[in-house]
Amino acid sequence: DTGVSQDPRHKITKRGQNVTFRCDPISEHNRLYWYRQTLGQGPEFLTYFQNEAQLEKSRLLSDRFSAERPKGSFSTLEIQRTEQGDSAMYLCASSPGQGDQPQHFGDGTRLSIL
Amino acid sequence: AQSVAQPEDQVNVAEGNPLTVKCTYSVSGNPYLFWYVQYPNRGLQFLLKYITGDNLVKGSYGFEAEFNKSQTSFHLKKPSALVSDSALYFCAVRVLSGSARQLTFGSGTQLTVLP
Repeated sequence: DTGVSQDPRHKITKRGQNVTFRCDPISEHNRLYWYRQTLGQGPEFLTYFQNEAQLEKSRLLSDRFSAERPKGSFSTLEIQRTEQGDSAMYLCASSPGQGDQPQHFGDGTRLSIL
Repeated sequence: AQSVAQPEDQVNVAEGNPLTVKCTYSVSGNPYLFWYVQYPNRGLQFLLKYITGDNLVKGSYGFEAEFNKSQTSFHLKKPSALVSDSALYFCAVRVLSGSARQLTFGSGTQLTVLP
């Protein structure tokens, strides 16, 4: 169990650019989640995968955001045409596919929009 | 809809004293409740959870939480605080039944343990 891994840890980009983040869940974890956390707030749910199927999407996930998990292992979150308001910490979590087990979080990707 | 309230942004306690971090929740159905801790520039670490059973749940690092259905509360407690417990604490909830898996988090409580 090497934990949830996220890459990069930090991303600085200019407004209008596209960015992509990667998440590698704990092996054997079938469920994968993305959250966004802004300063002084708790994480807000973005989307959830069971294997490669995207089962839940928040209204926060505008059409500029897209998430994939093509082989049911790692996942990517892409933000197109970034805006100032996208500056946040993007957290990935995973949990086993059976039962009601807690979600285990990675250390996040901090996105800063110039 | 589900929601969590953490009424205190900041809690200060002296080392060795008991600590309580408050959480109340709202959910349609039976709740599945969690406490997580976050250190600066890190992700969230799981502390404990409540599904069913005993109202007092024991978790990591000596923390425990008391589920109170009538008051819809799930307060985090520790009998004797350590300076190393200083961190940001989040309460989270989701409905137990159904296929929805998203967690709803409170806004967090910054715990400072004073030496």
